[in-house]
Amino acid sequence: KNEVEQSPQNLTAQEGEFITINCSYSVGISALHWLQQHPGGGIVSLFMLSSGKKKHGRLIATINIQEKHSSLHITASHPRDSAVYICAVPSNTGNQFYFGTGTSLTVIP
Amino acid sequence: DVKVTQSSRYLVKRTGEKVFLECVQDMDHENMFWYRQDPGLGLRLIYFSYDVKMKEKGDIPEGYSVSREKKERFSLILESASTNQTSMYLCASSMDHGGIYTGELFFGEGSRLTVL
Repeated sequence: KNEVEQSPQNLTAQEGEFITINCSYSVGISALHWLQQHPGGGIVSLFMLSSGKKKHGRLIATINIQEKHSSLHITASHPRDSAVYICAVPSNTGNQFYFGTGTSLTVIP
Repeated sequence: DVKVTQSSRYLVKRTGEKVFLECVQDMDHENMFWYRQDPGLGLRLIYFSYDVKMKEKGDIPEGYSVSREKKERFSLILESASTNQTSMYLCASSMDHGGIYTGELFFGEGSRLTVL
């Protein structure tokens, strides 16, 4: 049983397209994290959110606590957005994390 | 600029060798984590530590040990490396908010280990 499910697993888009990545989780959480990993690179934190919506540049993250669902949107996608996007939630004890298996995004020029 | 630094980006070792992977963070974080990342399996927790000299097993601790003698440093040790330990190893840290809420996760660049 996976505590965190992401979809889709793989996504290919044309430059300029609007992209949505989804994350569903089964545990009660205090916050949800969206992470980004470029090919061969480390992981960086994009967002940490516990309610509503957050925006950073062309990236928007939303969360619905009641439905246990979050989405990551990328507007006007660009080839440099090509990366793996990972959703993560803390465990009930708060000092561990559950991770989705990631969504591999490729944006074609 | 906050940072988690892993000692080696790439390592090649032979079966049976002892391997040390070091991780240092400069954010005074209580929590530190070691993960391995494999294609199709995502991130799996090996060990984590919530304080100096404290450690907890994660999901896949077999074949690994850890050491946290100082707050800023968390080491992963492979006592006798095996080929199935070939992987990307990622260290992370986060602030502890009383164990109820864990703050933002910060990751190192990763250490890609190949065991021949």
